[in-house]
Amino acid sequence: KQEVTQIPAALSVPEGENLVLNCSFTDSAIYNLQWFRQDPGKGLTSLLLIQSSQREQTSGRLNASLDKSSGRSTLYIAASQPGDSATYLCAVRRSNFGNEKLTFGTGTRLTIIP
Amino acid sequence: DTGVSQDPRHKITKRGQNVTFRCDPISEHNRLYWYRQTLGQGPEFLTYFQNEAQLEKSRLLSDRFSAERPKGSFSTLEIQRTEQGDSAMYLCASSLYRGSSSTDTQYFGPGTRLTVL
Repeated sequence: KQEVTQIPAALSVPEGENLVLNCSFTDSAIYNLQWFRQDPGKGLTSLLLIQSSQREQTSGRLNASLDKSSGRSTLYIAASQPGDSATYLCAVRRSNFGNEKLTFGTGTRLTIIP
Repeated sequence: DTGVSQDPRHKITKRGQNVTFRCDPISEHNRLYWYRQTLGQGPEFLTYFQNEAQLEKSRLLSDRFSAERPKGSFSTLEIQRTEQGDSAMYLCASSLYRGSSSTDTQYFGPGTRLTVL
């Protein structure tokens, strides 16, 4: 059974700093990994999706990396802003046929201090 | 707005009552997923449909839960005889599946928060 872990559970950093969020998974047989953002009481917004054959994806100030063999992914946020405060979730998908569900981690609650 | 919508956004009910939630996916999306998220946890998969066919159900989906997607468009999730442990955020997502050679990204709705008293 796939298990996804995110450490730390909560993180506070001053505005402007760069930061890294971590995600680890126990079964390396994944199809892709996705990072989401969730604001309090709201649904999920997809940030980045990395296919199993890829090493990283970038979008603006966000960069996600994937090391499938070691079961790890990181989300790097550059020049953090107060608007980045949210819970960040990573999720893995086992395959593209027959097992399409996403398995989520418990999230990292990020607070950017102005 | 052309995103995934869910109704209601909030539902408070007494233990033992039945509740029904609705999800309207993005119009051309053929896949629809239901997840449940409890406080401080990540979402957990419940079930998904491709068009009107329910293809997978989690063990979390007890006999009191039933989901339908009768015309392959909107979906309903019904919980019978609600229990306090059913209190959670119920999230719906949809995607456009074009076959095993492509990736279908799941787009999430805002969720329905259920509180069982």
